Amino acid sequence: SAVISQKPSRDICQRGTSLTIQCQVDSQVTMMFWYRQQPGQSLTLIATANQGSEATYESGFVIDKFPISRPNLTFSTLTVSNMSPEDSSIYLCSVGTGGGYTFGSGTRLTVV
Amino acid sequence: GQQLNQSPQSMFIQEGEDVSMNCTSSSIFNTWLWYKQDPGEGPVLLIALYKAGELTSNGRLTAQFGITRKDSFLNISASIPSDVGIYFCAGQLYAGGTSYGKLTFGQGTILTVHP
Repeated sequence: SAVISQKPSRDICQRGTSLTIQCQVDSQVTMMFWYRQQPGQSLTLIATANQGSEATYESGFVIDKFPISRPNLTFSTLTVSNMSPEDSSIYLCSVGTGGGYTFGSGTRLTVV
Repeated sequence: GQQLNQSPQSMFIQEGEDVSMNCTSSSIFNTWLWYKQDPGEGPVLLIALYKAGELTSNGRLTAQFGITRKDSFLNISASIPSDVGIYFCAGQLYAGGTSYGKLTFGQGTILTVHP
């Protein structure tokens, strides 16, 4: 299965600032997914990122708040913009592999 | 949208005991997946199920895809301390020519194993 490198692994940010999270995959993949996991909660899909097209956002998530780039088949970024304490979560990228999905180790974001 | 109800929310068991957890859905899925998440890590795939009625094992883990396609269970036999973690079910519904569709996750089962 694919190996995903995600960084940063954690960060503490001031409210009102933005953080860009990077996701690098060791193989070419068509679809990459970004999830949010709020403290003590399950995973919620933010958006699906296909190379060469705009990301598709799930209900409750908008591009202005979570802009996504997908410049090639092995890389994607998610930006959390104008952060507030409510954005404190783990953010994970994921790719489809062999009928299942592989996840990165996540970025633990704390907004103060 | 689709919702998954996963139970129990948490379990406290003794080492050596068997564990069972399940997920039910309000609608059908094409695929059921079971993941384990350790602290500070992303979820790791344990078992994938692709057909209604399918029963699949992975070591001490056994999972089944319900025949109605709306439920799945995961059993862990003879638990050991390293089984500690959060277990998530996830359902996938895809259509058309794509192989991958959106995953919907259950709320998770927190497993604690006492030595």
